[in-house]
Amino acid sequence: EAGVVQSPRYKIIEKKQPVAFWCNPISGHNTLYWYLQNLGQGPELLIRYENEEAVDDSQLPKDRFSAERLKGVDSTLKIQPAELGDSAVYLCASSPRGTGNNEQFFGPGTRLTVL
Amino acid sequence: AQKITQTQPGMFVQEKEAVTLDCTYDTSDPSYGLFWYKQPSSGEMIFLIYQGSYDQQNATEGRYSLNFQKARKSANLVISASQLGDSAMYFCAMRDFSSGNQFYFGTGTSLTVIP
Repeated sequence: EAGVVQSPRYKIIEKKQPVAFWCNPISGHNTLYWYLQNLGQGPELLIRYENEEAVDDSQLPKDRFSAERLKGVDSTLKIQPAELGDSAVYLCASSPRGTGNNEQFFGPGTRLTVL
Repeated sequence: AQKITQTQPGMFVQEKEAVTLDCTYDTSDPSYGLFWYKQPSSGEMIFLIYQGSYDQQNATEGRYSLNFQKARKSANLVISASQLGDSAMYFCAMRDFSSGNQFYFGTGTSLTVIP
């Protein structure tokens, strides 16, 4: 079974440029998460989807960040325009519906560097 | 309020020795799950072990065990017989079932195994 796929793995852009990250979750996983992880810190939730619905986007800086999950499968996270402080690793994760020991499965992340 | 607290930014352990990584959590929900993840320098998040709030026994997975003290709201990870490959960041996380599929992460502990 394929894991969570993210692309690109690395991205270097200049400030004020737009950037987009793509995530393909594990097949059948209803819940999809986007996290931001700064160096030496834990993941911080940006947005959580249940199928195609964004159920928690309270931490998403909506002035410059946007996300979508069309058809409840793949998801795209966009930053426009990027700022120097956006340099971080952006992690995508997915988990199946329900309670219990349904851990999150993480993708390899996209390391963004804003110059 | 911080849901997950990891008070050890960095830990060192001699190879073949055991080490305990601390984690305390905060929730008023009687139903929750606790997870530990490992993040090597390569960046991927690897699921290690899970403990449910109603589980009577401490979880074990190979060399990993979870010292679950419900009254103290602590879920410490014990790694026995440390190996050089155990050097990584370790994150404690909680899934609060009252908030659906929301996960909360700690700030992590950097473990270094010394030969």
